This record gives sequence, C-alpha cells and structure tokens, in this order.
Amino acid sequence: ETGVTQSPTHLIKTRGQQVTLRCSSQSGHNTVSWYQQALGQGPQFIFQYYREEENGRGNFPPRFSGLQFPNYSSELNVNALELDDSALYLCASSLRGVQETQYFGPGTRLLVL
Amino acid sequence: GIQVEQSPPDLILQEGANSTLRCNFSDSVNNLQWFHQNPWGQLINLFYIPSGTKQNGRLSATTVATERYSLLYISSSQTTDSGVYFCAVLLSNDYKLSFGAGTTVTVRA
Repeated sequence: ETGVTQSPTHLIKTRGQQVTLRCSSQSGHNTVSWYQQALGQGPQFIFQYYREEENGRGNFPPRFSGLQFPNYSSELNVNALELDDSALYLCASSLRGVQETQYFGPGTRLLVL
Repeated sequence: GIQVEQSPPDLILQEGANSTLRCNFSDSVNNLQWFHQNPWGQLINLFYIPSGTKQNGRLSATTVATERYSLLYISSSQTTDSGVYFCAVLLSNDYKLSFGAGTTVTVRA
C-alpha cells in the first residue's frame, strides 16, 4: 500500500509569484483534502476534492485553487503569493463513504520572500 | 464553527514518566483523530476514535462523546515521543477536520 506523497518538499518564492504543489493520494483513496499550517498553529482546512470536483472550502481566498485528476492525485495552486502564505502545506487522503480517517503526506514547506 | 481546545499547551516529561493530554470539543462529532507531528512536520495517525477506548503499545486513547472530550495517555514516555500532539474532529455531514492548537511534548533523557 502506497502512502500519501507530496512534492516538492521545500519551495522558496517571491511575493506576487505563483506556485503549484502536488499530492498523490494513498492507493485506494478517492478524496483529497488540503490544509495550511502556519508556524506554531494547527492545520487549517483549505478545500477538499472528490470525484474531481471541489467538495468544500475553508476560509481561503479564490487565489487558492486546486485540481483533482482521474487517478485521484491533486494539485494546489496559489496565485499572487503573499508573505503570509509562508507555511507548511499538507495534503490528506481518505476513502469517502467508508471511513473518514484522513492520512497525511509529509507536507511542502513554502517560504515567500 | 466547532471549537477544539487542547490542554496543556506544553508538557515537559522525564523519560519513563506517564502523561495525559486532553481534547475538549464544542459539538457532536462523527470522527475524532489523534496525530503526532514529528520535527519534520509529518502528521502521523495515532488513533481514529470517535468513541470508546483504544490502545496501541504505550499509547491509549479514550473518547467520551456524550461529554465531548477525548484523552490521550502516554505511558513510560521515551525521547522519541517528543513532538506536537494534535486532536482533530469531523462534524457529521462535514468534510473538513478541525484541529486543536496542539500540545507540545518534550521528553528529556
């Protein structure tokens, strides 16, 4: 069984740039959720994708967008980066309708300068 | 939205000591998970425990859903237990995990 993987592990961008983060879900899972974790805080929900559609969204602006592909992998895109976007971005996969346990990937650390 | 409160915020233990971490939540939940975040940021699943008691080695957890709290017990702590422990809950018919602020555990040799 393959676990959740994310790429890249680290990323440095400058304010105003755009970034794409990638996530491969655990084998057999059909749902991907993205979370942002600022330093010293708990993860905050960004959005969830199920059957290639956004299924729910947290309190994040539209410049945070995503995709889910037929193989259930997912991308998180952030446009017009701001300094406050510096954080650990976590992807979690789960099997909707069976058990909602979410399994997390190792995360991508984004630093915006 | 649902409030998730964890206590204590920080815990310093001597190796071999036992400890209890608490998670209070403000609404009925469909799912409760405990995680351990290691120094590299990886969130490791410890327990899926919406109710009842579970044990896994030196760790055990109890959730009393009717009273809206969960406890995580660490026995005979080791230095590798250091890190941040998060409680996260999922409301019925919801899709997002709501996390507490975490308990930072430091185990000293």
